[in-house]
Amino acid sequence: GAGVSQTPSNKVTEKGKYVELRCDPISGHTALYWYRQSLGQGPEFLIYFQGTGAADDSGLPNDRFFAVRPEGSVSTLKIQRTERGDSAVYLCASSLTSGAYNEQFFGPGTRLTVL
Amino acid sequence: TQLLEQSPQFLSIQEGENLTVYCNSSSVFSSLQWYRQEPGEGPVLLVTVVTGGEVKKLKRLTFQFGDARKDSSLHITAAQTGDTGLYLCAGVGGTASKLTFGTGTRLQVTL
Repeated sequence: GAGVSQTPSNKVTEKGKYVELRCDPISGHTALYWYRQSLGQGPEFLIYFQGTGAADDSGLPNDRFFAVRPEGSVSTLKIQRTERGDSAVYLCASSLTSGAYNEQFFGPGTRLTVL
Repeated sequence: TQLLEQSPQFLSIQEGENLTVYCNSSSVFSSLQWYRQEPGEGPVLLVTVVTGGEVKKLKRLTFQFGDARKDSSLHITAAQTGDTGLYLCAGVGGTASKLTFGTGTRLQVTL
């Protein structure tokens, strides 16, 4: 069965450039989450969507980060004016619906390297 | 800022040994989850514990949630090389959907 997919799997960019990371959730899952995992650490929450709307964006580090989910399925995480400190693995997860007891299924992540 | 501290950070043991990983917080969580992550993949859920004092067993893995719902432990009996990976605890607060992950414990099991 199809799990959560993320593209690209790897992205190398130069400081100051703009990048987009894509997440395809499991079909039928209404909740979608973005996390960021730095080397050797646990993932950190960025934002989550219930349907098309961002229900909680408290984890976005600054206004260079933005995410959309226009049709309630695919989501794109956008990073402007990238910095070397943005280098990390960006993980996407989806769940059937939101709420504390809904299992989140994770994609393999996009490894972003900012040179 | 990580609110969940895991110990040890790294653990290298031989096959057949037992081990315990700890996850501690100053915050109360409504539930706590344990994940295992392998290189190049996302975390995979192992278990969710909900009730203070709860103990769950999954084959050779035993999970415990502290009475005060602030801490948890994962015990592996007779470790196998296939247990190698990054173990992560994650707390869920109230009705919130987002997960607060721990700092992680990297386990390596060798023959």
